[in-house]
Amino acid sequence: DVKVTQSSRYLVKRTGEKVFLECVQDMDHENMFWYRQDPGLGLRLIYFSYDVKMKEKGDIPEGYSVSREKKERFSLILESASTNQTSMYLCASSWLSPTNEKLFFGSGTQLSVL
Amino acid sequence: DAKTTQPNSMESNEEEPVHLPCNHSTISGTDYIHWYRQLPSQGPEYVIHGLTSNVNNRMASLAIAEDRKSSTLILHRATLRDAAVYYCILRGGTGNQFYFGTGTSLTVIP
Repeated sequence: DVKVTQSSRYLVKRTGEKVFLECVQDMDHENMFWYRQDPGLGLRLIYFSYDVKMKEKGDIPEGYSVSREKKERFSLILESASTNQTSMYLCASSWLSPTNEKLFFGSGTQLSVL
Repeated sequence: DAKTTQPNSMESNEEEPVHLPCNHSTISGTDYIHWYRQLPSQGPEYVIHGLTSNVNNRMASLAIAEDRKSSTLILHRATLRDAAVYYCILRGGTGNQFYFGTGTSLTVIP
């Protein structure tokens, strides 16, 4: 089975801290994505990557950056965490091919910024 | 960017069919229509996807309007385990983004 693993299920950080959220997939997928999920707003795309060292902004990239140094790993970075970044963060991956493009999600990281 | 609209919530009785609608009036010719569902405390999981023709799999059926501006996810016999938030998504834009809407929360009544 495809596995997308997020490093932490729950995370509590303080305002101003630098936060790293890690995601690893084991299916050699080209695409990787970071979403945040908030009540009433659904899932919103923060950043995605379609290859190593490549990244593209999603709908809400402000306050975030990403890193993809290896194909299997995609990191989301909060340079200076703020309380409005308290949210559920979901990582996903998929093939690049247009005919085989299911998204596979991790279980999510619930981040609380105090 | 292509977006979708769905009802916020729906209810169904157990073992009855459920039709979950989705509007995507700005869909482009190359956008695939995907459906995912999210059970409580889990990440979303794939249900079904299609381009132009109706699609069936073991989980559900996808009916796509002829003009592709709307689609319907059909659960043939709802079970309590089908209670979830269902997302209708278009795969499009540059670089294979998947744009999620706010989803439909499905309640299944025993």
